[in-house]
Amino acid sequence: EDQVTQSPEALRLQEGESSSLNCSYTVSGLRGLFWYRQDPGKGPEFLFTLYSAGEEKEKERLKATLTKKESFLHITAPKPEDSATYLCAVREDSGGYNKLIFGAGTRLAVHP
Amino acid sequence: GAGVSQSPRYKVAKRGQDVALRCDPISGHVSLFWYQQALGQGPEFLTYFQNEAQLDKSGLPSDRFFAERPEGSVSTLKIQRTQQEDSAVYLCASSPLQGGVTEAFFGQGTRLTVV
Repeated sequence: EDQVTQSPEALRLQEGESSSLNCSYTVSGLRGLFWYRQDPGKGPEFLFTLYSAGEEKEKERLKATLTKKESFLHITAPKPEDSATYLCAVREDSGGYNKLIFGAGTRLAVHP
Repeated sequence: GAGVSQSPRYKVAKRGQDVALRCDPISGHVSLFWYQQALGQGPEFLTYFQNEAQLDKSGLPSDRFFAERPEGSVSTLKIQRTQQEDSAVYLCASSPLQGGVTEAFFGQGTRLTVV
């Protein structure tokens, strides 16, 4: 059964203190790993899609990397506005259409 | 509109009451998804539409849940005889791609509380 596990559940950082969030997955045939940001009371906002081991993508202070078993979301010199829940999801390809299997998320709090 | 719109934003239902949740996807988007998000958890897939066709309803928790998209645009998720375990945020997402979740845009969700 496809599964996505995120760690830590919650992370508190000081402004400027870099860190990484982890997403471990088990899936029969990865067809994309997705990172989303979710602010309280809002829907998930797309950040990145990674397709193959070794792939990296960057956006401002965020960089996502992918191996065969896990993905990392690196946050460099975070700011308070980076505080949010970060969700990881894998794509399960069934019958020509797709659905996402999400992890429970990592709640990030960045303090000034 | 500019994004996916869901209404109502909040809904309080008495146990046993029927509810209907609405999703207005981005105009022209072919794919539409419904997800359920319990407190502190990630979204869980409920159902998928390609235009007006419901191609996957494997995630619907019971036969009390019903979704439709009759004209291939607006979608409604209906829950009959609501139970307390139905309390969650219901998220709708749409994508311009046929069958794809890539480039899927989520709405703000409807928070359902069953009392």
